[in-house]
Amino acid sequence: RKEVEQDPGPFNVPEGATVAFNCTYSNSASQSFFWYRQDCRKEPKLLMSVYSSGNEDGRFTAQLNRASQYISLLIRDSKLSDSATYLCAVRGSNYQLIWGAGTKLIIKP
Amino acid sequence: NAGVTQTPKFQVLKTGQSMTLQCAQDMNHNSMYWYRQDPGMGLRLIYYSASEGTTDKGEVPNGYNVSRLNKREFSLRLESAAPSQTSVYFCASSEAKTGWQPQHFGDGTRLSIL
Repeated sequence: RKEVEQDPGPFNVPEGATVAFNCTYSNSASQSFFWYRQDCRKEPKLLMSVYSSGNEDGRFTAQLNRASQYISLLIRDSKLSDSATYLCAVRGSNYQLIWGAGTKLIIKP
Repeated sequence: NAGVTQTPKFQVLKTGQSMTLQCAQDMNHNSMYWYRQDPGMGLRLIYYSASEGTTDKGEVPNGYNVSRLNKREFSLRLESAAPSQTSVYFCASSEAKTGWQPQHFGDGTRLSIL
């Protein structure tokens, strides 16, 4: 089993809809979590950190479920510009970030 | 407002050639990283430098060497390029190595080995 796993998608979602995807991790001792966005042929860019209590930034909500060892990202009122690949990153036992392979999201008009 | 700058952006090499990928950050970050990204795979750590003067191997260090030239600069060298090293290479930096702080990325180097 990979340390960090994501559904590769693609998720095809109509504009204005709500979409959510998860990222599972295997190390129960992991303490920090991040969601990044990566546009085609571009670098990953930090979308949001994921806190134990969950956090929200505009249309984006991130949550952590320690019992089931996954983090989630919810996007409300999706825009065409939300089309991208979403990467999760989890701090590993050696303090380095372990990365998921990403979930591709396509927002359709 | 440069952040992390990588050069070159594109490079084509022949098998056996050598080259150095350059990375510089202007955020006064202590830690720097080199990743490779291949289709369908997550970012894989090649080497990292927790602080100036230190370097450590990551998940896939074979065939690469690094130099932390100073606090700003961290270079990646391919001594004898192989087709398996065809990839997109990203440099990143963070305030510290602890993993609490997010990493900030350069815009990548697309490297093809023929």
